[in-house]
Amino acid sequence: DIQMTQSPSSLSASVGDRVTITCRASQGISNYLAWFQQKPGKAPKSLIYAASSLQSGVPSEFSGSGSGTDFTLTISSLQPEDFATYYCQQYNSYPITFGQGTRLEIK
Amino acid sequence: QVQLVQSGAEVKKPGASVKVSCKASGYTFTSYYMHWVRQAPGQGLEWMGIINPYGGGSTSYAEKFQGRVTMTRDTSTSTVYMELSSLRSEDTAVYYCARGTRDGYNYRTDYWGQGTLVTVSS
Repeated sequence: DIQMTQSPSSLSASVGDRVTITCRASQGISNYLAWFQQKPGKAPKSLIYAASSLQSGVPSEFSGSGSGTDFTLTISSLQPEDFATYYCQQYNSYPITFGQGTRLEIK
Repeated sequence: QVQLVQSGAEVKKPGASVKVSCKASGYTFTSYYMHWVRQAPGQGLEWMGIINPYGGGSTSYAEKFQGRVTMTRDTSTSTVYMELSSLRSEDTAVYYCARGTRDGYNYRTDYWGQGTLVTVSS
């Protein structure tokens, strides 16, 4: 199975900050990498797919980059509604696997 | 608009089975795969498997669940089902269906159901 490792596990930031979350795959996954946002008690919401493609309806403050084994999710200017847990996911091969999550908290 | 509506919460005893449904609307049901993902309380996301609603309903399951999980579909009602047997306390989780959209040779998850809480307790 492909292991996905996110860092950091948690992050404190302020409204307006620029934040970056990284995700590393244990082997190359081309660009088959997605990012999700999850708020407490809610289903995950798709943000980014194919490493850098923005899901329809997602604000442009979110962006993704990377290929192979190293990927990043960047939020250019944090909004109050962005405080949540973020997961990366590889869908290059089965079983599909997720990172352990990054909890983004208000400073 | 795409909607995935799942069945309600379940409470089961150890050793029992549970069958969760996911009714799709707003798109052509047989043109997209469906994934199942679960999340134990306070934990991360775990992929269980995928079903192709088209044709014979082919499936691929995570090795961890092989022999215990069965995914089926009913094209007449645009509904997919996930049945998990021999339940144990560690299966207590929220179970999600998520639409699988083709990306090259692979299937990413885009739209998600609201989740179904399955509690396993004696």
